Amino acid sequence: GAGVSQSPSNKVTEKGKDVELRCDPISGHTALYWYRQSLGQGLEFLIYFQGNSAPDKSGLPSDRFSAERTGGSVSTLTIQRTQQEDSAVYLCASSDQRGGTQYFGPGTRLLVL
Amino acid sequence: AQSVAQPEDQVNVAEGNPLTVKCTYSVSGNPYLFWYVQYPNRGLQFLLKYITGDNLVKGSYGFEAEFNKSQTSFHLKKPSALVSDSALYFCAVRPPDSWGKLQFGAGTQVVVTP
Repeated sequence: GAGVSQSPSNKVTEKGKDVELRCDPISGHTALYWYRQSLGQGLEFLIYFQGNSAPDKSGLPSDRFSAERTGGSVSTLTIQRTQQEDSAVYLCASSDQRGGTQYFGPGTRLLVL
Repeated sequence: AQSVAQPEDQVNVAEGNPLTVKCTYSVSGNPYLFWYVQYPNRGLQFLLKYITGDNLVKGSYGFEAEFNKSQTSFHLKKPSALVSDSALYFCAVRPPDSWGKLQFGAGTQVVVTP
């Protein structure tokens, strides 16, 4: 009965370093989504996984961003060579079906110094 | 182009008074519409959604929203606001041709004073 969990809750890194953000969706949910929330850009869609289908990567802002979902459950969002403009809250959500209501995790607050 | 607008950055209301948070959208076809609430340093919490059927949708914590197709609006309402309703509210739309992504409005900060 647990909700979506994300780790770490906070991450401080230096410019140029790589970071990995983790998302554990609600058990049994087949769809998983990543969003980014920043002061200047609001809430932006990043990527969407649905079952074994190819992910919708249309929201990834650059090729420094990538994500994978292993075994249809846990997902990792990786940002390579972080830049200061990557500082934001990264939110993960899951739904029990394609297009279903999305339930969000608490987010990971990333600060790039 | 598809868009979601929340015309008010902030709404101030006294406790016990009615609360309305406005949302309009521009999406071709019949979209799914959602409201979420965010408390400080928390993720988004789902409040309610409209897919089809009755234009008045009831959700969590006494909130409701009215879908108006002719005005392309989906305003969130609560008859009697509580101080604990103070939070950031987001309207979101899922276009009919998009199974995954939600497009969010900029958010409206609600401040309920005692």
